[in-house]
Amino acid sequence: GAGVSQSPSNKVTEKGKDVELRCDPISGHTALYWYRQSLGQGLEFLIYFQGNSAPDKSGLPSDRFSAERTGGSVSTLTIQRTQQEDSAVYLCASSPWGTSHNEQFFGPGTRLTVL
Amino acid sequence: AQRVTQPEKLLSVFKGAPVELKCNYSYSGSPELFWYVQYSRQRLQLLLRHISRESIKGFTADLNKGETSFHLKKPFAQEEDSAMYYCALSGRTGGFKTIFGAGTRLFVKA
Repeated sequence: GAGVSQSPSNKVTEKGKDVELRCDPISGHTALYWYRQSLGQGLEFLIYFQGNSAPDKSGLPSDRFSAERTGGSVSTLTIQRTQQEDSAVYLCASSPWGTSHNEQFFGPGTRLTVL
Repeated sequence: AQRVTQPEKLLSVFKGAPVELKCNYSYSGSPELFWYVQYSRQRLQLLLRHISRESIKGFTADLNKGETSFHLKKPFAQEEDSAMYYCALSGRTGGFKTIFGAGTRLFVKA
């Protein structure tokens, strides 16, 4: 079947606006991860879902960031009152069970630009 | 603290030369180590994981717990190996959160 998909592929917004980024994981994958990739940086962990619950939200950089997952499938990452430092590529990944040795399958990413 | 360090941002080698991409980690407990690769215009994908003890595309990586390292090696680099390589770790201590290094860009010259 299809791999992980993300939408939009590109998003340009003005400082102060809210944005929603969407991730569709591989069907049947229970674990879902969000990462942020800034220019010249590695992948910064944001949040991890096991089913619909998020056991680890420690990577969310501020309370402007939130994420939810419904029906154990689609996830939405919301950034409120965007700032220029939020500009980055946001990657989503899913894996079958969420144990440490499971391979993560990545989406193509959403490139966010905050003007 | 859990940390993955890739000391080289860029590594440039000639085709046919050996290549080693360094990865050191800091972790309390028994980590799972991975190498992920991103080729130009492609998605990030798993290259290999230490638990499988496999060789993929000629690459191998050995977990050295004494030196807390997981270096990626290939005896003869090919042009198609040019890509961005990320070392990553996961494990129970971190609640299965995966920590990635900053990445090393490998450039294999003809």
